[in-house]
Amino acid sequence: AQKVTQAQTEISVVEKEDVTLDCVYETRDTTYYLFWYKQPPSGELVFLIRRNSFDEQNEISGRYSWNFQKSTSSFNFTITASQVVDSAVYFCALSGRNYGGSQGNLIFGKGTKLSVKP
Amino acid sequence: AAGVIQSPRHLIKEKRETATLKCYPIPRHDTVYWYQQGPGQDPQFLISFYEKMQSDKGSIPDRFSAQQFSDYHSELNMSSLELGDSALYFCASSPRTSGFTGELFFGEGSRLTVL
Repeated sequence: AQKVTQAQTEISVVEKEDVTLDCVYETRDTTYYLFWYKQPPSGELVFLIRRNSFDEQNEISGRYSWNFQKSTSSFNFTITASQVVDSAVYFCALSGRNYGGSQGNLIFGKGTKLSVKP
Repeated sequence: AAGVIQSPRHLIKEKRETATLKCYPIPRHDTVYWYQQGPGQDPQFLISFYEKMQSDKGSIPDRFSAQQFSDYHSELNMSSLELGDSALYFCASSPRTSGFTGELFFGEGSRLTVL
């Protein structure tokens, strides 16, 4: 079965601290996609990054960086110098075949609620 | 750039009533997915359509049905509403010309409140 685990339910940091959100996944597929989404209090799902299983290069986008390691089935997300506007729930997701084969049926982790205090 | 459009954005219904949510995918996207996110929960896959045919079915209750029309927009119909149906309903679309390529775009969601 496919599964995404975000062990950190809630994290609270003070502005300018660095914070890493953990994501561990399970899949038997050899080709799959991993995603991170941000969900602010307004509710929309904001796409942050997509990674396919063949691309293990780490990625940096401004204050955001991602570390993908197939050996440990992890896809961790780091925010450097956090800001109050980073406060949100962050979801890690895996493209899944649980329901019949279409990989667009994402399996989400339970989410990590990040609170950044001034 | 055009995004996935969902309507209505907010909907309030009474128990046992019926509700219909609409989703307009990005132009040239032929695959639509519906997700349900209860309060404090992660989004759960409900159902998907490819070229107007149901392609996959997830945890969609029997009281719910959906379809995709010739213009590729999709509607999620929910009958005999229960309090537990109160949730954010997301629609997403993707192109599927040669299989899933990881391109998946979510709408802003429709918030259903059942009283």
